Amino acid sequence: EVQLVQSGAEVKKPGESVKISCKGSGYSFSTYRIAWVRQMPGRGLEWMGIIYPSDSDTKYSPSFQGQVTISVDKSINTAYLQWSSLKASDTAMYYCARPPSTGWFFDSWGQGTLLTVSS
Amino acid sequence: EIVLTQSPDTLSLSPGERATLSCRASQSISSSYLAWYQQIPGQAPRLLIYGASIRATGVPDRFSGSGLGTDFTLTISRLEPEDFAVYYCQQYGGSLTWTFGQGTKVEIK
Repeated sequence: EVQLVQSGAEVKKPGESVKISCKGSGYSFSTYRIAWVRQMPGRGLEWMGIIYPSDSDTKYSPSFQGQVTISVDKSINTAYLQWSSLKASDTAMYYCARPPSTGWFFDSWGQGTLLTVSS
Repeated sequence: EIVLTQSPDTLSLSPGERATLSCRASQSISSSYLAWYQQIPGQAPRLLIYGASIRATGVPDRFSGSGLGTDFTLTISRLEPEDFAVYYCQQYGGSLTWTFGQGTKVEIK
């Protein structure tokens, strides 16, 4: 069974850094891309970017380019989303998701990581 | 960038009724690149439909998708209590980019 398990909720102050994770299991991690999706409180879904674990090739949405960093450690089947200097507007639920080998949709999702940024 | 506009924002219906949700693209897209998701409050999104009309594994057949070009529809033939949720359409824009519609909330009338 394909599973994406995300790290727990984080509470941070503005200006702090954070790195959240998404661990894949039940499939060949290196050969499937992992995407990140933001959901601000009471709002819709926004695609942030995607990484290919095999070669770490990464593509960002223009809205998030330069604002976050997506990375991967394929030795431990884990993808990451990180911020170097948080803002209150980064408060949101963040999901990782995986497209299938042939298809341009996301058929597996993590449970979400709630990031709260508040002074 | 292709923009997806969903309508209505909120649909108020009773269990057993038919729900028709619309997703309109700002320019024509391939049906292969259009998907629908369901999100129940407090849960992660769940894939319902891909390729505009193909039900994902385990999705009940009361859910159906249709459309082509710029106009796509998700239909729930008879609403069950567990179907009251928010529904999103999504399109793949090529070159590893995706966009979502703003969502339609299906609420109990």
